Amino acid sequence: DAKTTQPPSMDCAEGRAANLPCNHSTISGNEYVYWYRQIHSQGPQYIIHGLKNNETNEMASLIITEDRKSSTLILPHATLRDTAVYYCIVRVYGSSNTGKLIFGQGTTLQVKP
Amino acid sequence: ETGVTQTPRHLVMGMTNKKSLKCEQHLGHNAMYWYKQSAKKPLELMFVYNFKEQTENNSVPSRFSPECPNSSHLFLHLHTLQPEDSALYLCASSQDRSAGTQYFGPGTRLLVL
Repeated sequence: DAKTTQPPSMDCAEGRAANLPCNHSTISGNEYVYWYRQIHSQGPQYIIHGLKNNETNEMASLIITEDRKSSTLILPHATLRDTAVYYCIVRVYGSSNTGKLIFGQGTTLQVKP
Repeated sequence: ETGVTQTPRHLVMGMTNKKSLKCEQHLGHNAMYWYKQSAKKPLELMFVYNFKEQTENNSVPSRFSPECPNSSHLFLHLHTLQPEDSALYLCASSQDRSAGTQYFGPGTRLLVL
């Protein structure tokens, strides 16, 4: 699975959009981009995933560049409860997958009032 | 509430004790996972079970012994642990091992004295 690079930390003002970048320049054509977050001392929570098209759900939007070498997770109106570590993971989807999710250090997002 | 429960939430044990961690998922999933998260370190995958069969053992010491009696339950039996085994132990489940969307429990915070 391809490696990802994320900034270690970011701040965001409450009510503003939080844009979290992720670089995955070695991503393969059959690898999806997944985003999870982990609020302090809790289990990680799935947010969203995509292959090449932009995706949106009730939690966030995922923007993937055309060359798929980077992506951005957007929380449109950040709240204090969005303070967490955000993980960007690239992973092959399919029956050959071993089941691994490889978590890096992630980005610590601090939402400030 | 993710549909994955873990008990106990907190556990203190001596190095000579034997204890077990329990995980139960109410999502009808067929794959279950154990992860370890030590302080200041990324999550590490320990074991993967797919349709009750162990498909991944990520070089975990034998003092950790998993058991998956059915697709809904997963145990981690602990014996003669070391202080460095103190960590947050997280259970997760997914539809099957090829699915990248995993649902995590709240974790068991383990302290080995």
